[in-house]
Amino acid sequence: DVQMTQSPSILSASVEDRVTITCRASQSINWLAWYQQKPGKAPKLLISKVSSLESGVSSRFSGSGSGTEFTLTISSLQPDDFATYYCKQYHTYPLTFGGGTKVE
Amino acid sequence: QLQLQESGPGLVKPWETLSLTCTVSGASISIGGYTWGWIRQPPGKGLEWIDSCYYNGNAYYNSALKSRVSTSFDTSTNQLSLKLTSVTAADTAVYYCARRKDYSGIEHWGQGILVTVSS
Repeated sequence: DVQMTQSPSILSASVEDRVTITCRASQSINWLAWYQQKPGKAPKLLISKVSSLESGVSSRFSGSGSGTEFTLTISSLQPDDFATYYCKQYHTYPLTFGGGTKVE
Repeated sequence: QLQLQESGPGLVKPWETLSLTCTVSGASISIGGYTWGWIRQPPGKGLEWIDSCYYNGNAYYNSALKSRVSTSFDTSTNQLSLKLTSVTAADTAVYYCARRKDYSGIEHWGQGILVTVSS
């Protein structure tokens, strides 16, 4: 199975900060998604295919990377962005999630 | 608009079978180009993928759960169902039904249902 390691697990930030979350895969992958989850809610898809922003998602979110290292960047953190973020590889089955990064 | 709604018992006894149903509205479960499946989240923990199933029969499972999990489709009711056998407390989680488009992330999720395994 492809192991996904996210860092940091907790990120303390302030409004308007630039925030970067890293996701590392145990082997090279081409297909990666990022999700945002708020307490008591289902996750929301932000980015697919490493860097493709989903319709309706703010352009302050961006994804990049290749091979085994990927990043999610929030260019200017807004109050609504405080949440937990997960990466997930869908390059191969079984699909695997990272452990999550809580932005507080 | 596509909606997914999980239903089933909120409490299951240890070593029994957990059975959940996902009712889909706004799209047919038999449409091509999508997988349907389940993801779970133990209280206070991260997301765990359970399975992804194509209506045409291909299915893929979490390695750790493969021997205990199955998902089936019912086109007459536009539902999919999850069965997880021999449950223990470690299976206590919020279970989400989900749809994923090929080559994309999971764009549609149910609201989730908490299932507690306890005697």
